[in-house]
This record gives sequence, structure tokens and C-alpha cells, in this order.
Amino acid sequence: GDSVTQMEGPVTLSEEAFLTINCTYTATGYPSLFWYVQYPGEGLQLLLKATKADDKGSNKGFEATYRKETTSFHLEKGSVQVSDSAVYFCALIRMDSSYKLIFGSGTRLLVRP
Amino acid sequence: EAGVAQSPRYKIIEKRQSVAFWCNPISGHATLYWYQQILGQGPKLLIQFQNNGVVDDSQLPKDRFSAERLKGVDSTLKIQPAKLEDSAVYLCASSLDAPEAFFGQGTRLTVV
Repeated sequence: GDSVTQMEGPVTLSEEAFLTINCTYTATGYPSLFWYVQYPGEGLQLLLKATKADDKGSNKGFEATYRKETTSFHLEKGSVQVSDSAVYFCALIRMDSSYKLIFGSGTRLLVRP
Repeated sequence: EAGVAQSPRYKIIEKRQSVAFWCNPISGHATLYWYQQILGQGPKLLIQFQNNGVVDDSQLPKDRFSAERLKGVDSTLKIQPAKLEDSAVYLCASSLDAPEAFFGQGTRLTVV
């Protein structure tokens, strides 16, 4: 069945360091891909999305490119801030009639000053 | 535009009691999801509605969990009787024709 696999955390970085969180997926058809962020004590917020191969989603300095050949959607940011500390979830929606939304297990990011 | 509303925000119950959660999706959104998020894990889909019909409830423990979406708008999720392992955050999300889902703040359930 469809699934999303993320790198395990926690990921601990110093402020201004480069961030990569790996995400790969298995799905039938051509899903849309997402990164959601969950700040402490808050709900899930959509960070960015990509709906077709080679699309690049970007928001708040974060980027991810939909790579169909490697079935990947890695999240990157050039210079992280303390305020980026959160849990990041990679997810996909099947673009058939089910619109099933499936999440990875999440990666906790801790940024130290 | 108003977001997805959930209530209550927090609930503490004893095992074997029953509990219900309520969700009001964004107006006009046909798809509604209920997820269970256990501490340290990703959200797990419990049930998905399209209008008032069930699209997927394959991971809903039907011996104790039930959900309904009357008139294709609001939805309730019920647990009866609750077990300790049901302690989690229950998230509701809604979507308009995909590919984006909007989430509520969630209900944190503690079963003691």
C-alpha cells in the first residue's frame, strides 16, 4: 500500500546551519506531496506542497522538489533559526477518487542558538 | 475564512468510559478526515468521509470507535468504551477537492 518514510529524528542543528530532512514515498499513480509542520502545542500547518513531478514547493525559506525518479521529496532550508524548532511531517494525497492523505512518522528538529 | 473547529480541546476520562469529539470543517469542504496521533508518531487515518459517505474506515477499530457525518457537514467521533491505549490527539481535517487538507487544533484525550 501507499506509504511515506522519513528520516528519524531528532535532528539537532545550530542556528544558521543547513537543513535536510529526507522523505521518500511509495504510491500508486501520481500523488501530490506535502510537508506539514507542528510547532509545540499547536496543530498541523501546511508548510509547502508540490502537485507534479519536478515541481518545487517553497515557503518561509524551506524548499522541497518532487522527484518522481527517486520517489523523494526532501525538505531543505539554507539557514535554520531557533523558531524553526518543530516536528516536520511528510505526507501524500492520492490523486484518485479516494484523496487518501497519508503521513510519515515525523522528524523532530531542534535548533540551538 | 474560518478554519476547522474542534471541541473539546482537552478531555480526561477513565478507562471504560465513553467520549465524543466534534468537528466542524471549513464551509463547503466535501472531504473530512479523522486522524489519531499518538505521542511521538505521525497521524494515522481513522476514517475519511466524502460528503456524508464513508470513503475509508479500514483502520477504525469498529468494536469501540464510531463516527458519523450528518448532512455532510459536522462530524462526531465516539469511543466507547475507552482503553488506555486510546490516549492520543484526535485531529480533524477537511479538504475541497484536494490536494490540500486543513487541520483543526485537535482534541487531546487522556485515558486514565
